[in-house]
Amino acid sequence: AQKITQTQPGMFVQEKEAVTLDCTYDTSDPSYGLFWYKQPSSGEMIFLIYQGSYDQQNATEGRYSLNFQKARKSANLVISASQLGDSAMYFCAMREFNTGNQFYFGTGTSLTVIP
Amino acid sequence: GAVVSQHPSWVICKSGTSVKIECRSLDFQATTMFWYRQFPKQSLMLMATSNEGSKATYEQGVEKDKFLINHASLTLSTLTVTSAHPEDSSFYICSASQGSGANVLTFGAGSRLTVL
Repeated sequence: AQKITQTQPGMFVQEKEAVTLDCTYDTSDPSYGLFWYKQPSSGEMIFLIYQGSYDQQNATEGRYSLNFQKARKSANLVISASQLGDSAMYFCAMREFNTGNQFYFGTGTSLTVIP
Repeated sequence: GAVVSQHPSWVICKSGTSVKIECRSLDFQATTMFWYRQFPKQSLMLMATSNEGSKATYEQGVEKDKFLINHASLTLSTLTVTSAHPEDSSFYICSASQGSGANVLTFGAGSRLTVL
């Protein structure tokens, strides 16, 4: 089974609007972390936000927030007030803390912000 | 914050030659580094986990004799693509974490390899 599933290959959003990028995960490890990365066309991977499996509150970092629904095993990224510079690939990732500490990445979502 | 430097950014080589890519953690010690390969418009595929002072752990399907990984110090890991062929052309990204658990994985800028 896929560890991380991103079902949206591509998304479009109007500038200044909010957008939600979906991510579901699969693990039996009770201790894990969920990460979102942004990859612009230049290729670098930029860390955006982190959510721990035991964190009680949803993580927020500026315009980024993570909608963490543990029972549903989902960790959607919400970008508010989209900017043209937000156009990029977005990857959801998970790290299982008790099982090898590897990072598992989803297939990514390509976000295009329309002026 | 943690910085990972990867060099070279671009490399073009002839078929049959070997290419070395370096990955350095600039301001932290990384006992573990990860090497990924990424095809256009696809996700990152973990190739191997590089452990300082010991042999790398390769993922299933990755030829360890083809992709030599050396992690000789706490700040440097190298990936050597031996006898490169056009099908080895890809984007290779290294990453490192300051520790296990919740520590963020910091990526290098990637190396785009083109084999002619």
